Amino acid sequence: GAGVSQTPSNKVTEKGKYVELRCDPISGHTALYWYRQSLGQGPEFLIYFQGTGAADDSGLPNDRFFAVRPEGSVSTLKIQRTERGDSAVYLCASSLQGDGEQYFGPGTRLTVT
Amino acid sequence: GQQLNQSPQSMFIQEGEDVSMNCTSSSIFNTWLWYKQDPGEGPVLLIALYKAGELTSNGRLTAQFGITRKDSFLNISASIPSDVGIYFCAGRNRDDKIIFGKGTRLHILP
Repeated sequence: GAGVSQTPSNKVTEKGKYVELRCDPISGHTALYWYRQSLGQGPEFLIYFQGTGAADDSGLPNDRFFAVRPEGSVSTLKIQRTERGDSAVYLCASSLQGDGEQYFGPGTRLTVT
Repeated sequence: GQQLNQSPQSMFIQEGEDVSMNCTSSSIFNTWLWYKQDPGEGPVLLIALYKAGELTSNGRLTAQFGITRKDSFLNISASIPSDVGIYFCAGRNRDDKIIFGKGTRLHILP
Protein backbone atom coordinates (compact mmCIF):
# COMPACT_ATOMS: atom_id res chain seq x y z
CA GLY A 1 0.00 0.00 0.00
CA ALA A 2 0.95 3.65 -0.23
CA GLY A 3 3.31 5.05 2.34
CA VAL A 4 3.53 8.55 3.75
CA SER A 5 3.83 11.11 0.98
CA GLN A 6 5.02 14.70 1.22
CA THR A 7 4.79 17.56 -1.22
CA PRO A 8 6.65 19.36 -2.55
CA SER A 9 9.85 17.33 -2.43
CA ASN A 10 11.87 20.53 -2.70
CA LYS A 11 10.94 24.13 -2.00
CA VAL A 12 13.11 27.18 -2.52
CA THR A 13 11.78 30.44 -1.15
CA GLU A 14 13.03 33.89 -0.37
CA LYS A 15 13.56 35.15 3.14
CA GLY A 16 10.37 36.64 4.51
CA LYS A 17 7.99 34.57 2.37
CA TYR A 18 5.26 32.19 3.57
CA VAL A 19 5.42 28.47 2.82
CA GLU A 20 3.13 25.49 3.23
CA LEU A 21 4.35 21.91 3.36
CA ARG A 22 1.89 19.05 2.93
CA CYS A 23 1.83 15.55 4.40
CA ASP A 24 -0.44 12.67 3.37
CA PRO A 25 -0.24 9.97 6.05
CA ILE A 26 -0.87 6.28 5.60
CA SER A 27 -4.63 5.71 5.34
CA GLY A 28 -6.16 4.90 8.71
CA HIS A 29 -3.26 6.22 10.79
CA THR A 30 -4.62 8.43 13.54
CA ALA A 31 -1.31 9.85 14.71
CA LEU A 32 0.78 12.25 12.64
CA TYR A 33 4.12 13.84 13.47
CA TRP A 34 6.24 16.61 12.00
CA TYR A 35 10.02 16.65 12.45
CA ARG A 36 12.77 18.97 11.24
CA GLN A 37 16.14 17.57 10.20
CA SER A 38 19.05 19.97 9.80
CA LEU A 39 22.19 18.97 7.93
CA GLY A 40 24.22 16.45 9.87
CA GLN A 41 21.60 16.05 12.58
CA GLY A 42 18.89 13.61 13.49
CA PRO A 43 15.21 14.51 13.14
CA GLU A 44 13.90 16.88 15.82
CA PHE A 45 10.29 16.70 16.95
CA LEU A 46 8.04 19.63 16.07
CA ILE A 47 4.39 18.65 16.62
CA TYR A 48 2.17 15.60 17.09
CA PHE A 49 -1.47 15.24 16.05
CA GLN A 50 -3.89 12.66 17.37
CA GLY A 51 -6.82 12.88 15.00
CA THR A 52 -7.58 16.52 14.24
CA GLY A 53 -6.07 18.00 17.37
CA ALA A 54 -2.48 18.90 18.16
CA ALA A 55 -1.70 16.72 21.16
CA ASP A 56 1.81 18.11 21.61
CA ASP A 57 3.22 21.19 19.87
CA SER A 58 6.11 21.71 22.26
CA GLY A 59 8.70 21.28 19.50
CA LEU A 60 7.57 24.21 17.36
CA PRO A 61 10.48 26.67 17.56
CA ASN A 62 8.40 29.88 17.59
CA ASP A 63 5.06 31.35 16.58
CA ARG A 64 6.06 31.57 12.91
CA PHE A 65 5.44 27.83 12.73
CA PHE A 66 1.92 26.43 12.70
CA ALA A 67 0.39 23.13 11.61
CA VAL A 68 -3.15 21.94 10.97
CA ARG A 69 -4.89 18.65 10.33
CA PRO A 70 -8.52 19.71 9.84
CA GLU A 71 -10.03 16.36 8.85
CA GLY A 72 -7.70 14.06 10.74
CA SER A 73 -5.84 12.93 7.64
CA VAL A 74 -3.75 15.35 5.54
CA SER A 75 -1.66 17.84 7.50
CA THR A 76 -0.10 21.13 6.47
CA LEU A 77 2.90 22.71 8.15
CA LYS A 78 2.89 26.47 7.67
CA ILE A 79 5.89 28.74 8.14
CA GLN A 80 5.45 32.51 8.11
CA ARG A 81 8.17 35.11 7.44
CA THR A 82 10.72 32.42 6.63
CA GLU A 83 14.30 32.90 7.77
CA ARG A 84 17.49 31.36 6.40
CA GLY A 85 17.76 29.29 9.57
CA ASP A 86 14.51 27.55 8.66
CA SER A 87 16.34 25.75 5.85
CA ALA A 88 16.15 22.02 6.59
CA VAL A 89 14.40 18.82 5.59
CA TYR A 90 10.91 18.67 7.09
CA LEU A 91 9.83 15.09 7.72
CA CYS A 92 6.35 13.82 8.37
CA ALA A 93 5.56 10.47 10.00
CA SER A 94 2.35 8.65 10.83
CA SER A 95 1.45 5.77 13.07
CA LEU A 96 -1.64 3.67 13.59
CA GLN A 97 -1.92 4.97 17.13
CA GLY A 98 0.02 7.30 19.36
CA ASP A 99 2.54 4.82 20.71
CA GLY A 100 2.96 2.72 17.58
CA GLU A 101 5.73 2.46 15.03
CA GLN A 102 6.18 5.68 13.08
CA TYR A 103 6.47 5.49 9.30
CA PHE A 104 8.32 8.40 7.75
CA GLY A 105 7.76 10.17 4.47
CA PRO A 106 10.65 11.20 2.21
CA GLY A 107 10.61 14.77 3.49
CA THR A 108 10.44 18.23 1.97
CA ARG A 109 13.76 19.99 1.55
CA LEU A 110 13.18 23.68 2.29
CA THR A 111 15.81 26.20 1.25
CA VAL A 112 15.38 29.82 2.27
CA THR A 113 17.58 32.19 0.27
CA GLY B 1 16.33 18.51 27.24
CA GLN B 2 17.09 14.85 26.70
CA GLN B 3 19.98 14.14 24.37
CA LEU B 4 21.48 11.03 22.87
CA ASN B 5 25.20 10.67 22.25
CA GLN B 6 25.78 8.43 19.27
CA SER B 7 29.17 7.08 18.27
CA PRO B 8 31.09 6.83 16.12
CA GLN B 9 30.04 9.80 13.99
CA SER B 10 31.19 7.97 10.85
CA MET B 11 32.76 4.65 9.91
CA PHE B 12 34.73 3.49 6.91
CA ILE B 13 34.85 -0.30 6.59
CA GLN B 14 35.55 -3.01 4.06
CA GLU B 15 32.70 -5.07 2.66
CA GLY B 16 32.24 -8.19 4.77
CA GLU B 17 33.41 -6.61 8.03
CA ASP B 18 31.26 -6.46 11.13
CA VAL B 19 30.07 -3.06 12.39
CA SER B 20 29.28 -1.85 15.88
CA MET B 21 27.80 1.47 16.93
CA ASN B 22 26.32 2.67 20.18
CA CYS B 23 24.22 5.27 21.84
CA THR B 24 24.21 6.65 25.38
CA SER B 25 21.98 9.02 27.26
CA SER B 26 22.03 10.79 30.60
CA SER B 27 18.37 9.95 31.08
CA ILE B 28 16.25 6.84 30.93
CA PHE B 29 14.18 5.81 27.93
CA ASN B 30 11.31 3.31 27.88
CA THR B 31 12.02 2.18 24.33
CA TRP B 32 15.14 2.23 22.20
CA LEU B 33 14.85 2.37 18.42
CA TRP B 34 17.35 2.02 15.61
CA TYR B 35 16.63 3.59 12.20
CA LYS B 36 18.44 3.70 8.85
CA GLN B 37 18.15 6.67 6.50
CA ASP B 38 19.12 6.58 2.85
CA PRO B 39 19.74 9.79 0.85
CA GLY B 40 16.50 11.57 -0.02
CA GLU B 41 14.42 9.27 2.13
CA GLY B 42 12.95 9.31 5.60
CA PRO B 43 14.28 7.07 8.37
CA VAL B 44 13.14 3.44 8.33
CA LEU B 45 12.80 1.48 11.55
CA LEU B 46 15.23 -1.45 11.81
CA ILE B 47 14.83 -2.70 15.37
CA ALA B 48 12.73 -1.70 18.38
CA LEU B 49 13.72 -2.65 21.94
CA TYR B 50 11.18 -2.48 24.75
CA LYS B 51 12.78 -4.03 27.86
CA ALA B 52 16.02 -3.40 29.69
CA GLY B 53 18.51 -6.11 28.79
CA GLU B 54 16.57 -7.15 25.69
CA LEU B 55 18.69 -8.47 22.81
CA THR B 56 16.91 -8.54 19.44
CA SER B 57 18.02 -9.62 15.98
CA ASN B 58 16.72 -8.76 12.53
CA GLY B 59 18.70 -10.70 9.93
CA ARG B 60 22.31 -9.51 10.12
CA LEU B 61 21.40 -6.80 12.62
CA THR B 62 21.51 -7.25 16.39
CA ALA B 63 20.65 -4.60 18.96
CA GLN B 64 20.53 -4.52 22.73
CA PHE B 65 18.71 -2.34 25.26
CA GLY B 66 21.14 -1.60 28.07
CA ILE B 67 20.40 -2.76 31.60
CA THR B 68 20.52 0.82 32.90
CA ARG B 69 18.03 1.89 30.17
CA LYS B 70 20.47 4.64 29.26
CA ASP B 71 22.30 2.96 26.40
CA SER B 72 21.94 0.70 23.38
CA PHE B 73 24.15 -0.77 20.71
CA LEU B 74 23.62 -1.97 17.15
CA ASN B 75 25.78 -4.56 15.43
CA ILE B 76 25.76 -5.38 11.73
CA SER B 77 27.48 -8.58 10.70
CA ALA B 78 29.11 -9.26 7.33
CA SER B 79 28.40 -5.82 5.87
CA ILE B 80 27.24 -5.51 2.26
CA PRO B 81 27.13 -2.45 -0.04
CA SER B 82 23.45 -1.75 0.61
CA ASP B 83 24.24 -1.23 4.31
CA VAL B 84 25.66 2.18 3.40
CA GLY B 85 23.63 4.98 4.94
CA ILE B 86 23.05 6.86 8.16
CA TYR B 87 22.02 4.90 11.25
CA PHE B 88 20.13 6.72 13.98
CA CYS B 89 19.48 5.58 17.49
CA ALA B 90 16.38 7.01 19.10
CA GLY B 91 14.70 6.77 22.46
CA ARG B 92 11.04 7.06 23.27
CA ASN B 93 10.50 8.88 26.55
CA ARG B 94 7.61 8.65 28.96
CA ASP B 95 5.79 11.41 27.03
CA ASP B 96 5.90 9.10 23.99
CA LYS B 97 8.20 11.60 22.27
CA ILE B 98 11.03 10.14 20.15
CA ILE B 99 14.45 11.73 20.60
CA PHE B 100 17.03 11.01 17.88
CA GLY B 101 20.80 10.85 18.04
CA LYS B 102 22.93 12.63 15.45
CA GLY B 103 23.57 9.48 13.47
CA THR B 104 26.44 7.24 12.44
CA ARG B 105 27.41 7.50 8.78
CA LEU B 106 28.46 4.11 7.43
CA HIS B 107 30.72 4.04 4.37
CA ILE B 108 31.85 0.82 2.69
CA LEU B 109 35.16 0.94 0.87
CA PRO B 110 35.35 -0.77 -2.53
